[in-house]
Amino acid sequence: KAGVTQTPRYLIKTRGQQVTLSCSPISGHRSVSWYQQTPGQGLQFLFEYFSETQRNKGNFPGRFSGRQFSNSRSEMNVSTLELGDSALYLCASSLAGLAAKQFFGPGTRLTVL
Amino acid sequence: EDQVTQSPEALRLQEGESSSLNCSYTVSGLRGLFWYRQDPGKGPEFLFTLYSAGEEKEKERLKATLTKKESFLHITAPKPEDSATYLCAVQARGETSGSRLTFGEGTQLTVNP
Repeated sequence: KAGVTQTPRYLIKTRGQQVTLSCSPISGHRSVSWYQQTPGQGLQFLFEYFSETQRNKGNFPGRFSGRQFSNSRSEMNVSTLELGDSALYLCASSLAGLAAKQFFGPGTRLTVL
Repeated sequence: EDQVTQSPEALRLQEGESSSLNCSYTVSGLRGLFWYRQDPGKGPEFLFTLYSAGEEKEKERLKATLTKKESFLHITAPKPEDSATYLCAVQARGETSGSRLTFGEGTQLTVNP
């Protein structure tokens, strides 16, 4: 079974631009969560989508948004990029049930100049 | 607010030297405690889920245990390939929690040959 895939793997943007990251979950998984990982803050929860609906949201500004499609693929968007948005963005998928194992993708490394 | 604290931040062992990593947590009702392993430049790899105090799980040289306030990851006779960052995360009960994981900062383990 193929794992979680994320595209692109690396991205360089400048301040003020916007970016869209993509995540394809494991086949059959309906829940997709997004996390931001930085050296100073560790892994922080951004949001979770389940059956195309946002089920939970972390403490990030409204510049961070996401969506999920009917095939469970998910995208996250960051508008008006800031230097502090430089991070590894990780996507995780799981089966429908809560407390199910979450499987992470390799991440997208975003650098904001 | 859910909190996870891992100690030590870094641990250096000789091959074959057993040790334990600690994960202390505060959560408003635990749904599950998760252990992950993360190699540099990669996404976290799932290791274990523990659901209730007293539960134990094993995989090769790793054994995870859970009490009401902390979890331990015991590493028996480690090998250099066990070198990685080990992450602990909790998932809280509650209708609004969804699949959200709250992570600790991780323990960076180095095993020297």
